Amino acid sequence: DIVMTQSPATLSVTPGDRVSLSCRASQSISDYLHWYQQKSHESPRLLIKYASQSISGIPSRFSGSGSGSDFTLSINSVEPEDVGVYYCQNGHSFPRTFGGGTKLEIK
Amino acid sequence: EVQLQQSGTVLARPGASVKMSCKASGYTFTSYWMHWVKQRPGQGLEWIGAIYPGNSDTSYNQKFKGKAKLTAVTSTSTAYMELSSLTNEDSAVYYCTEGSSYFDYWGQGTTLTVSS
Repeated sequence: DIVMTQSPATLSVTPGDRVSLSCRASQSISDYLHWYQQKSHESPRLLIKYASQSISGIPSRFSGSGSGSDFTLSINSVEPEDVGVYYCQNGHSFPRTFGGGTKLEIK
Repeated sequence: EVQLQQSGTVLARPGASVKMSCKASGYTFTSYWMHWVKQRPGQGLEWIGAIYPGNSDTSYNQKFKGKAKLTAVTSTSTAYMELSSLTNEDSAVYYCTEGSSYFDYWGQGTTLTVSS
């Protein structure tokens, strides 16, 4: 199985900061890497697909990069509503696997 | 508009089995994988498995083989997951979500509580 490792586990930031969340796959998954945001008591929401492709309705401050086994989700100018947990997901092969998540907190 | 409507909260006894549903609308049910994801309280997302309603092909996380059984009824565009031999470790929110590589639509989740 492909293991997805996210870092850091928690990120405490100030509104307006630019932040980067990391996701590493245990083997190459090309660009089959997808990012989700989950707010408290809500279902996850797709943020970025195929490592860097934007999703309709998602604010442009969210962007993704990377390929192979190293990926980054960037949030340009964090807003208070961005609080939540961010997950990366292997979409290359079965079993689909998720990273452990990065919890974003606002100072 | 794509919608995935999941069945309601379930309270079950240890050792019992439960079957939950996910009714799809707004897209061609038989053309996309339906996945199931588990989330225990305060924990991350865990992929259970998926079914392709077009031919009932399934794929399971090895961890959930023997625990979860996925089925689909194409006439009603409804996917089902049955969980057997329940323990406290099965208490969680279970999501259905459709997609191939990525998951762009999610149900609202079904909360399962296992308690005696």
